[in-house]
Amino acid sequence: AQSVTQPDIHITVSEGASLELRCNYSYGATPYLFWYVQSPGQGLQLLLKYFSGDTLVQGIKGFEAEFKRSQSSFNLRKPSVHWSDAAEYFCAVGGMNNQGGKLIFGQGTELSVKP
Amino acid sequence: DAGVIQSPRHEVTEMGQEVTLRCKPISGHDYLFWYRQTMMRGLELLIYFNNNVPIDDSGMPEDRFSAKMPNASFSTLKIQPSEPRDSAVYFCASREGPLGNQPQHFGDGTRLSIL
Repeated sequence: AQSVTQPDIHITVSEGASLELRCNYSYGATPYLFWYVQSPGQGLQLLLKYFSGDTLVQGIKGFEAEFKRSQSSFNLRKPSVHWSDAAEYFCAVGGMNNQGGKLIFGQGTELSVKP
Repeated sequence: DAGVIQSPRHEVTEMGQEVTLRCKPISGHDYLFWYRQTMMRGLELLIYFNNNVPIDDSGMPEDRFSAKMPNASFSTLKIQPSEPRDSAVYFCASREGPLGNQPQHFGDGTRLSIL
């Protein structure tokens, strides 16, 4: 079955500290992977995506993610968190064998940032 | 560039009333998706269209829900009659092209409250 697991429902980090949000997926073919961020009252904004090639992908707002096929993971990282990064983060997987390229979303990780 | 536009942003209505949510996709995008977001179930795909044709409506919860896309620039999601358990945030997203490696672009959502 196709699924995405974000093990951490809520994470709190101090401003300036590093961040890693975990994402594990189960997918029967080559996955296309995405991270989205949702600020309160807003829609989902694409942070970054992985299709192929270099397994370390750079996104907006200083975020990066690394695709590890052996671990079925696509963890999101940021070296120094800013207070404005407080939001909910969603990992998603899709692919060519997924009719129409539907995305399967994880349950989300809510990030709080301490001053 | 204009993004995905949803209206209304907020809707409060009484149980039993008809509710119509509207979406204008990004110009040139030929895929349109409707999602529902709740605390309990996260982000659920309700239905998606390709070139105005519904492709997969397996996520539509029951016959009270219906969606149409009369042209490439407009879609509606209708609930009739509405029930309190329909209270959620409803998102519309659009995508260019059939490949799963194209990102979906989300609107800001409609927050629906059924009293």
